[in-house]
Amino acid sequence: EVQLVESGGGLVQPGGSLRLSCAASGFTFSSYWMHWVRQAPGKGLVWVSRINSDGSSTSYADSVKGRFTISRDNAKNTLYLQMNSLRAEDTAVYYCARVEWGSGPPNAFDIWGQGTMVTVSS
Amino acid sequence: QSALTQPASVSGSPGQSITISCTGTSSDVGSYNLVSWYQQHPGKAPKLMIYEVSKRPSGVSNRFSGSKSGNTASLTISGLQAEDEADYYCCSYAGSSVVFGGGTKLTVL
Repeated sequence: EVQLVESGGGLVQPGGSLRLSCAASGFTFSSYWMHWVRQAPGKGLVWVSRINSDGSSTSYADSVKGRFTISRDNAKNTLYLQMNSLRAEDTAVYYCARVEWGSGPPNAFDIWGQGTMVTVSS
Repeated sequence: QSALTQPASVSGSPGQSITISCTGTSSDVGSYNLVSWYQQHPGKAPKLMIYEVSKRPSGVSNRFSGSKSGNTASLTISGLQAEDEADYYCCSYAGSSVVFGGGTKLTVL
C-alpha cells in the first residue's frame, strides 16, 4: 500500500525547535518530489516547502524561510522538516504530500499523510 | 503569494449541481494548467479530486469535473450526494511556489 506517515509533532514553546518526519512506503520514494503543507486549526491549507528527488533543490514559503529546513534521506525513505524559532502562528497540522507525476512542478498532490499536530505555546 | 479566492460556502440539494470557483492571477492559475482540487472531510487528510485542471484520478466519481478560463478555475459537482458534504480546496502552481485557495464549505441540504 502506498502511504505516508508523519511523526514528530507536539507541544513546543515559542522560540523552540521541532523536527517532523514523514515515512514513505509502497512506492519508489527517491523518484518523487515531496512537499509539506500545513493547516492551522479551523483554517485552510497552506503550502510550506518542497524538495526535489535527490534533495539538491528546495523551496520555501516566505512565512517560514530562514526558520524551516526541508530535507530527505532516500536510503531511509523519509522526508523531514526541521522547524526552528517557532512562533504561535506556526501552530497547525503538518501534512507531507507526494507530487503525482513524480518530479517537477506539482501537477497535484496524490498521496497525503495523516498529518501531525504542532502546537506552539507557552 | 496571496491565496486563491474561493467562496466561503456553497450549498445544494441532493441531485442538484454546484460549481465552486477559484480565482487567481496571471502568475498562477492563469499561467499554468497545474490546477488541482481537494476534498477534505473533518479530521481527515485532503483527497485529490481533480488534477491538471480537468483530469480525474482513478476512483473519483465522474460527477466531479473541472475547468479553467483565464485566471479562474472551477469545480463542478453534479448529482449531489450527502457524502459530498465537505471542504474543497483549489491549488495552483505559482512559479516557484504553490498556492491554495481559502477553502469552500459545501453543505448538502
